[in-house]
Amino acid sequence: KAGVTQTPRYLIKTRGQQVTLSCSPISGHRSVSWYQQTPGQGLQFLFEYFSETQRNKGNFPGRFSGRQFSNSRSEMNVSTLELGDSALYLCASSSMGRGLYNEQFFGPGTRLTVL
Amino acid sequence: DQQVKQNSPSLSVQEGRISILNCDYTNSMFDYFLWYKKYPAEGPTFLISISSIKDKNEDGRFTVFLNKSAKHLSLHIVPSQPGDSAVYFCAASAQGGSEKLVFGKGMKLTVNP
Repeated sequence: KAGVTQTPRYLIKTRGQQVTLSCSPISGHRSVSWYQQTPGQGLQFLFEYFSETQRNKGNFPGRFSGRQFSNSRSEMNVSTLELGDSALYLCASSSMGRGLYNEQFFGPGTRLTVL
Repeated sequence: DQQVKQNSPSLSVQEGRISILNCDYTNSMFDYFLWYKKYPAEGPTFLISISSIKDKNEDGRFTVFLNKSAKHLSLHIVPSQPGDSAVYFCAASAQGGSEKLVFGKGMKLTVNP
């Protein structure tokens, strides 16, 4: 079974631009979560989508948004990029719905550098 | 407000010895705890987990202990191997099934041959 894939793996943007990152979950997984990893803050939860609906949201500004498609693939968008948005963005998928804990499987991440 | 804390940024041990990684949490609503391992340029990989109804869970060389009264958990690796060298993250989840994981900042474990 293929793992979680994320594209692109590396991205360089300049301040003020916007960026879209993509995540394909493991086949059959309906939940997709996004995390930001920075050296100072560790991994921080951005949001989670389940069946095309945002189910959980972290404490990030509205410049960070996401969506999920009917095939469970998810995209994350960051608008008006700031230098502090430079980070590794990780996507994780899990199989089951609310009420049962599910192990999350992580992709390799997209390394975003904002210049 | 950091709800999951890994207070030691790094640990170095000799091959064959025990590695003990510690984690503290502040949120009483957390009811599920996990450890992830991360190699450079890869995403975190699930290692072991424990529910708040248990105080110990063992999987091969890895054992996680949970002390709910102290809001503390630890990961024991015995015996440690050079391939265990990685960054280890402690994570917690609340309300019996939320996909929102709260992570600690990680600890770098180095196992010397």
